[in-house]
Amino acid sequence: EDQVTQSPEALRLQEGESSSLNCSYTVSGLRGLFWYRQDPGKGPEFLFTLYSAGEEKEKERLKATLTKKESFLHITAPKPEDSATYLCAVKVRSSNTGKLIFGQGTTLQVKP
Amino acid sequence: EAQVTQNPRYLITVTGKKLTVTCSQNMNHEYMSWYRQDPGLGLRQIYYSMNVEVTDKGDVPEGYKVSRKEKRNFPLILESPSPNQTSLYFCASSIDRGTEAFFGQGTRLTVV
Repeated sequence: EDQVTQSPEALRLQEGESSSLNCSYTVSGLRGLFWYRQDPGKGPEFLFTLYSAGEEKEKERLKATLTKKESFLHITAPKPEDSATYLCAVKVRSSNTGKLIFGQGTTLQVKP
Repeated sequence: EAQVTQNPRYLITVTGKKLTVTCSQNMNHEYMSWYRQDPGLGLRQIYYSMNVEVTDKGDVPEGYKVSRKEKRNFPLILESPSPNQTSLYFCASSIDRGTEAFFGQGTRLTVV
């Protein structure tokens, strides 16, 4: 069964304290891995797409990396406005539905 | 501005009263889908559409209907809502089934 697991469930950081969020996946064939940010009561906001192992993408304080089994979202010197839930999702080659299989998310709180 | 627009944002209704949640995208995307988000269960796909007049079931389609008569619109229909359909609903669109999805702001539905 295709599965996505994110850790930790919750993370509290002080402003400026860098850390990483993990997304591990077991799928029949990866079509793509996607990172989203979700603020309370709002829709997921697209951050990155990664398609193959070794690929990296960066945006401001965020950097996403991909291996054959997992992806990391590195947050460098976070600010309070980075507080949100970060969702990882995959699309698999074996599925024609195009559905995103989501992890449960990591809720990040950055304190000033 | 490229966006996915859902209406209404909030809806409280009674069991059995038919309702429609509208979704419209202005990006000329071919692929659209509906998700529901529930605590502890994450985001799950309800229905999807590859193109106009082409729709199919996702993981949790029971109690829902959809239609795709125009490329930009993909309404979600609950013909006889029940309390277990109380949830946060998101419409999403993407260029095709393999690329990143862009989400609407969500519709919080309460069925009493």
